[in-house]
Amino acid sequence: NAGVTQTPKFRILKIGQSMTLQCTQDMNHNYMYWYRQDPGMGLKLIYYSVGAGITDKGEVPNGYNVSRSTTEDFPLRLELAAPSQTSVYFCASRSPSGGNQPQHFGDGTRLSIL
Amino acid sequence: DQQVKQNSPSLSVQEGRISILNCDYTNSMFDYFLWYKKYPAEGPTFLISISSIKDKNEDGRFTVFLNKSAKHLSLHIVPSQPGDSAVYFCAASEGVRVRGATNKLIFGTGTLLAVQP
Repeated sequence: NAGVTQTPKFRILKIGQSMTLQCTQDMNHNYMYWYRQDPGMGLKLIYYSVGAGITDKGEVPNGYNVSRSTTEDFPLRLELAAPSQTSVYFCASRSPSGGNQPQHFGDGTRLSIL
Repeated sequence: DQQVKQNSPSLSVQEGRISILNCDYTNSMFDYFLWYKKYPAEGPTFLISISSIKDKNEDGRFTVFLNKSAKHLSLHIVPSQPGDSAVYFCAASEGVRVRGATNKLIFGTGTLLAVQP
């Protein structure tokens, strides 16, 4: 019963490097989301997807890219890492059966850009 | 502009007493509200939700109250237990009754609850 799995759990990047944060879910959920949480703040939506091949921007998409080639996977790409992207990143998914289904979250990736 | 506000960064309660966590919102289009609980180094865990067509929803020790006229909701935990110590996030979304709703969530900044034994 894995739910939403995120890898890696921790990562340190240098300014200008790129990396992909991985997210996979085994609940056959159509909807998937990426959030970031800065210290003392709530979670903010970066990108979301309503199904394979369909993605859209959230509240804070600048500096990120996503793709959704399968139902299970929703990777988040940082192309040119900047110190402002130091944060904890959470991936979530939810069932498509009705808009009032809660999102289920992974345990996060803690990313530091130095 | 914060659409969802949790004005109390922290709350301390004695074990066995009631914990009341508060949340205010500004967007009158929000029609679905949730509470999440978060332990350190873990992701948020869904706790309880309420639709805007209701004013109360109860699940065991947890009850959420919604006052639409005041744009205010609260989470009551009775009785509080030490294991309830965590950060609690209020979240809201709009258009959940619309076909194909995307359920994008707007989160508050969280309240750290400490339940003292």
